[in-house]
Amino acid sequence: KAGVTQTPRYLIKTRGQQVTLSCSPISGHRSVSWYQQTPGQGLQFLFEYFSETQRNKGNFPGRFSGRQFSNSRSEMNVSTLELGDSALYLCASSLAGGDTQYFGPGTRLTVL
Amino acid sequence: GNSVTQMEGPVTLSEEAFLTINCTYTATGYPSLFWYVQYPGEGLQLLLKATKADDKGSNKGFEATYRKETTSFHLEKGSVQVSDSAVYFCALREPTGGFKTIFGAGTRLFVKA
Repeated sequence: KAGVTQTPRYLIKTRGQQVTLSCSPISGHRSVSWYQQTPGQGLQFLFEYFSETQRNKGNFPGRFSGRQFSNSRSEMNVSTLELGDSALYLCASSLAGGDTQYFGPGTRLTVL
Repeated sequence: GNSVTQMEGPVTLSEEAFLTINCTYTATGYPSLFWYVQYPGEGLQLLLKATKADDKGSNKGFEATYRKETTSFHLEKGSVQVSDSAVYFCALREPTGGFKTIFGAGTRLFVKA
């Protein structure tokens, strides 16, 4: 079974631009979560989607948004990029009712 | 709010040494607890988990026991290998439904041959 895939793997943007990251969960998984990883703040929870609905949300500004499609694929969007948004963005998927998240390799975003 | 505290690294050990990485948590209710490992340039891999008090998670020689009385979930391995060099994250899943996982800061482990 294929794992969680994230595209693109690397991205370079400039301040003020917006970016969209994509995540394809493991087949059959309906929950998709997003995390931001930075050297200073570590791993921080962004949001979780389940059956196209946002079920949990972390403490990030409204510039960070996401959505989930009927096939469980998810996208996250960051608008008006800031230098501090440079990070590794990780996506994780899990089964409905499951207890384990499976992580993708991440998208490395660099904001110049 | 809920939080996870783990020992700061880096931890440097010689091959075959005993490993302990301390982890304590603060949470309401009864969270599930996890250890994840991250190798350079990769995402996180689940190492082991425990879902209730006194459960012991184990995998690849690593073990951790869910201690509710001390709110701890320390990671141990009897004999580390060079290939164990990585960053280890302790985490809890908030017991409020869904998947909101709170991670510790991570502990980098270096194992010397």
